[in-house]
Formats: sequence, structure tokens, C-alpha cells
Amino acid sequence: TQLLEQSPQFLSIQEGENLTVYCNSSSVFSSLQWYRQEPGEGPVLLVTVVTGGEVKKLKRLTFQFGDARKDSSLHITAAQPGDTGLYLCAGDSGGSNYKLTFGKGTLLTVNP
Amino acid sequence: GAGVSQTPSNKVTEKGKYVELRCDPISGHTALYWYRQSLGQGPEFLIYFQGTGAADDSGLPNDRFFAVRPEGSVSTLKIQRTERGDSAVYLCASRTSYNTGELFFGEGSRLTVL
Repeated sequence: TQLLEQSPQFLSIQEGENLTVYCNSSSVFSSLQWYRQEPGEGPVLLVTVVTGGEVKKLKRLTFQFGDARKDSSLHITAAQPGDTGLYLCAGDSGGSNYKLTFGKGTLLTVNP
Repeated sequence: GAGVSQTPSNKVTEKGKYVELRCDPISGHTALYWYRQSLGQGPEFLIYFQGTGAADDSGLPNDRFFAVRPEGSVSTLKIQRTERGDSAVYLCASRTSYNTGELFFGEGSRLTVL
């Protein structure tokens, strides 16, 4: 069974601060996705990383895939209250079914 | 509809009862997934349909759980003899066959078994 460990589990910061959340596994993934989930809603895809060492930027969010494709990080610069939510990483082990394994998530609260 | 639609949004039932949860995927999406999300956890894979057939049902926890997608569109997740441990949010997701695997999730059906 492939597991994804996310850390920290909870994070509460002030508006304007920077933060990094981590997603680690002992398994290799063909791709890794980051989702954001708000209360009462389903997860929404933020980014997919495919190549080891890949870095993708989405406005103030920077995503990195580890060289060995076992881990990933999400860095948020100058966090805003609208960034509040549950951040989930999900790994795809390959194959055509795109069956994703999710981590438990990092619950981020950005206080104004 | 524009997105994945799930009904009911909330279901409260008693232990031992039968429950059906419905998912209407995005039009044209051939792949459909059911996930279960317990409090404080990430979504856990249950079953994957490609068209009408269950291509992977390895995540169904036991034989009380069953899902169908008879016409390759709407899917129903069926839970027999519900137990308190079945309480969770049941998420449905769909995707096309031609993208890099992005799943589009519904808002989920929250099941509470008393």
C-alpha cells in the first residue's frame, strides 16, 4: 500500500506570512497532484507535477516535485485569508485508471 | 450540469438500514470514481468505473458496499446493513479520457449512521 504523509497536519498563521507544507512517501509516483478543499465542498485541483525536480508556480503558490518522485512541497508566499483550506496531495502510481492515493491533508488557517 | 452532482447532500440513517447515494458526472466524462472521506482524513479510494464497467473495485471495504453505473453516466453507491463506522463523506469524481488525470469532484454526500 502506498502512503503519503503530509506535514504539518495543522497550520495557523497570520496574513502576509510564508509557509511550506510537505508531502512524503517511500513510494515512487508517476505524477503527484495538489488539491485544495473547502468545508462542504469537494477537492479542487491546483496543480499536477510529473517530472522529477519539476517546479510549477501558480500565482503565490510554488509546487516542487522531488528528484526521485517520492515527495513534494507546496510553498505559499504572503498568505491571505482566502488561502484558508485543506491542502491535499495525491499520488498517481501509474496506469490508465489514474487511481489516486491521498494524504491526510494540511489544514491551513490564515488569520487576517 | 456544469459540475459533478451528488445527491443527497446529507443522509442520516439508522444502523442496519440500506442507503443509496447518487452521482451525476460531468457530461461526456467516461471515468467515474467513488472516494470516502472520514473526518480528519484524506479521500480514500473505493471504486473506479470506465464506462459501464467497474474497472477497479479494490477499495470497497466489504461486500456490504456495491456500486453500479448501468448506462455509463449516473452511478449509484449502495450500502447494505449500514454500520456506525460507515459514517463519512462519500465523494464522487469524474474525468475525461484525454487529460492528465485531473479529477473533478462533487460536493459529496455526508452519511451519518446513528
